[in-house]
Amino acid sequence: GENVEQHPSTLSVQEGDSAVIKCTYSDSASNYFPWYKQELGKGPQLIIDIRSNVGEKKDQRIAVTLNKTAKHFSLHITETQPEDSAVYFCAAGLKNFGNEKLTFGTGTRLTIIP
Amino acid sequence: DTAVSQTPKYLVTQMGNDKSIKCEQNLGHDTMYWYKQDSKKFLKIMFSYNNKELIINETVPNRFSPKSPDKAHLNLHINSLELGDSAVYFCASSQEGADTQYFGPGTRLTVL
Repeated sequence: GENVEQHPSTLSVQEGDSAVIKCTYSDSASNYFPWYKQELGKGPQLIIDIRSNVGEKKDQRIAVTLNKTAKHFSLHITETQPEDSAVYFCAAGLKNFGNEKLTFGTGTRLTIIP
Repeated sequence: DTAVSQTPKYLVTQMGNDKSIKCEQNLGHDTMYWYKQDSKKFLKIMFSYNNKELIINETVPNRFSPKSPDKAHLNLHINSLELGDSAVYFCASSQEGADTQYFGPGTRLTVL
């Protein structure tokens, strides 16, 4: 089955600096790569996603890059703000009978230092 | 408006008991999921249902039985609760054929 590794497990950055979280996956058939943000006591919320036919996607301060050959993808957050503090999860998705089966990474706890 | 809701939010119970967690989505989605998040925050899929039919069953003990009375609801019943069942359980939903999954707020289950 699919295996997703995520690094680092914790990350602290000064407010205003950039943060980068990296993930690798094992199954070359995976074709959907979402990133979720989980705040304390809440469920994961989708913040950005990318599909395998795209190399990069950007949404305001958040960007995701995908290298299918190397089987890795990254989340970039620029101009970080205190409200960016949360746990971030990457995932790799594989269609299963028309539905997406997501395998999640182990999470990165991001702390923004004011 | 709540998109994916779960009840209860917290559940504390004794080992050996049977309990249920309910999930409802008002997004009109065809597919619903149950995930388990352990104490180390690891998030793993347990089940998925599409139009009330079981699609994914990820080697979960048969003490866990999902039930989907209609496509807007997916309940999780757990028999003979064990200490290792303590976790946060998340329900999610998606539209058939689409990728994005929307998660509920979670149910924190504590087995004493």
